[in-house]
Amino acid sequence: IAGITQAPTSQILAAGRRMTLRCTQDMRHNAMYWYRQDLGLGLRLIHYSNTAGTTGKGEVPDGYSVSRANTDDFPLTLASAVPSQTSVYFCASKREGRYNEQFFGPGTRLTVL
Amino acid sequence: AQTVTQSQPEMSVQEAETVTLSCTYDTSENNYYLFWYKQPPSRQMILVIRQEAYKQQNATENRFSVNFQKAAKSFSLKISDSQLGDTAMYFCAFMKHNNNDMRFGAGTRLTVKP
Repeated sequence: IAGITQAPTSQILAAGRRMTLRCTQDMRHNAMYWYRQDLGLGLRLIHYSNTAGTTGKGEVPDGYSVSRANTDDFPLTLASAVPSQTSVYFCASKREGRYNEQFFGPGTRLTVL
Repeated sequence: AQTVTQSQPEMSVQEAETVTLSCTYDTSENNYYLFWYKQPPSRQMILVIRQEAYKQQNATENRFSVNFQKAAKSFSLKISDSQLGDTAMYFCAFMKHNNNDMRFGAGTRLTVKP
């Protein structure tokens, strides 16, 4: 593994179903993030985690939950998917230091019907 | 709350020419970071250039440079000698110092024409 991986690459989901998007990084970054990307809106922060064992809410957290059991993994769960959650989801991690650069995974395209 | 505005939804430029993408932001903070990310058709988000607000000198990375005007809250990206591979969505982003909330603009779709 090099960097950040996300799974699945894409998914079509029936409304009301539960879905977990997976994210794994091998850079030992403490901070991790979940964004959703929607046309005309850019990327918006859903949830974040400063370090293993802690999580926080971003700009658009409703309908989503996260956990951070260890440094490498940061799964995002949709408990009961709705069509408005159709989006492209990006996981990111942040390098420590002065630049605060975020590294992004390849994204998951989720369609909720 | 911080907001980031990219006023140009789409732009095009001829290969080898220069193009400037605009970005303005709104904040009351004095210490923050600004970024430009590139998203080609592959969907991967790639950092192009970064700027620390306390630095007056404009950042430069090869053919990419910024014009950072702190008082005007403006952070434009200049791409010189445009190449076909520069075709992508470009996102401007803002992040406060010691904060996790990175705010993105809506993006500018740049097409480089041969």
